[in-house]
Amino acid sequence: GQNIDQPTEMTATEGAIVQINCTYQTSGFNGLFWYQQHAGEAPTFLSYNVLDGLEEKGRFSSFLSRSKGYSYLLLKELQMKDSASYLCAVPSNDYKLSFGAGTTVTVRA
Amino acid sequence: EPEVTQTPSHQVTQMGQEVILRCVPISNHLYFYWYRQILGQKVEFLVSFYNNEISEKSEIFDDQFSVERPDGSNFTLKIRSTKLEDSAMYFCASSEPGLGEHEQFFGPGTRLTVL
Repeated sequence: GQNIDQPTEMTATEGAIVQINCTYQTSGFNGLFWYQQHAGEAPTFLSYNVLDGLEEKGRFSSFLSRSKGYSYLLLKELQMKDSASYLCAVPSNDYKLSFGAGTTVTVRA
Repeated sequence: EPEVTQTPSHQVTQMGQEVILRCVPISNHLYFYWYRQILGQKVEFLVSFYNNEISEKSEIFDDQFSVERPDGSNFTLKIRSTKLEDSAMYFCASSEPGLGEHEQFFGPGTRLTVL
């Protein structure tokens, strides 16, 4: 089975940086996804990591360490619209996604 | 940009009634999924579907649930006799075949309320 842990909530100021950590325990590894979910909306894809290291995409970066079962999502230059839940998810061999409970990020002015 | 669509956006039903939630996946995708999210809880996998059959299902997906691809475009989730605890947001998703960055695209969801 899959066990995925991430913090419940984080608060940061507009323009700041926030790092959301995710630890996972899986039987087999097929990469790790980060999704963003605004309240009442569907998850939208942010990033996918399958190799160790940092992947940068504009203001968002994602890091993976397979040996540690650890990933983080880094949000830079925070904007009010970044207030959302951020979901860490790992796929099984047949692609079903197991999600963490999500980290609710609140950006304050 | 292609997207997954779902209808209806909201469905209110009485306990014991049957509901059918509909999804139109992205046209060249071959893998289809249903997930649900009870209010305030995490997104949970229900079922995956490929090549006209169920690939995997969770323990949530009991005999009250079924899925169907009745034609080349629609993908449906049926709940035969709804229970109060079925109240949730139901998301359909689809993805391309092949390994690697197998991103799943989610539809906007159907909010099901069982009274």
